[in-house]
Amino acid sequence: EVKLVESGGGLVQPGTSLKLSCAASGFSFNHYWMGWVRQAPGKGLQWIGEINQDSSTINYSPSLKDKLTISRDNAQNTLYLQMSKLISEDTAIYYCTRAVPPFDYWGQGVMVTVSS
Amino acid sequence: EIVLTQSPTTTAASPGEQVTITCLARSSVYNMNWYQQKSGASPKLLIYSTSSLASGVPDRFSGSGSGTSYTLTINTMEAEDAATYYCQQWSSNPYTFGAGTKLELK
Repeated sequence: EVKLVESGGGLVQPGTSLKLSCAASGFSFNHYWMGWVRQAPGKGLQWIGEINQDSSTINYSPSLKDKLTISRDNAQNTLYLQMSKLISEDTAIYYCTRAVPPFDYWGQGVMVTVSS
Repeated sequence: EIVLTQSPTTTAASPGEQVTITCLARSSVYNMNWYQQKSGASPKLLIYSTSSLASGVPDRFSGSGSGTSYTLTINTMEAEDAATYYCQQWSSNPYTFGAGTKLELK
């Protein structure tokens, strides 16, 4: 069974940084592109970025690329999302996805709240 | 950025009714994906590459379209289909989603 479990969310101060993790299991992690999608409270879905199997290609949403770093550790079957210079508009549920394409499996999501 | 416009924004259907949701792209896209999100849950892949059903999806769901116009159809509405539906394109970075169509049970 494919499982994606995000962690690392919580309440953070504006201007700070945060690193989210996504633990993958049930499939050959190093064979797949992986990605992140976020959803602000009561809003729609926003694609954040993706990373290929060996981390040689990383694509970011142009509107967010200056504050994001996506990485992965294939030995640990883990995907990461580092976000910097957080603002209130970054408050959202962050989903880890397997990005075949399309996004065929999603994690349960992790909430990030940016507030002072 | 390719903007995807979904219509209607909200709709309601009775059991057995047919439901049609449209997604219009500002520029031509190769194909379209559709996701279903129930309240409080993660999105779930419904249809990929315009018309292919994801694993485990009932065949009352279907997709069609090309270029800038795509459609998701639910042949006969069931109570469990009440959810928000999103279209999504993978033709051009950023891989945008539509704003969603909320489908309610009448």
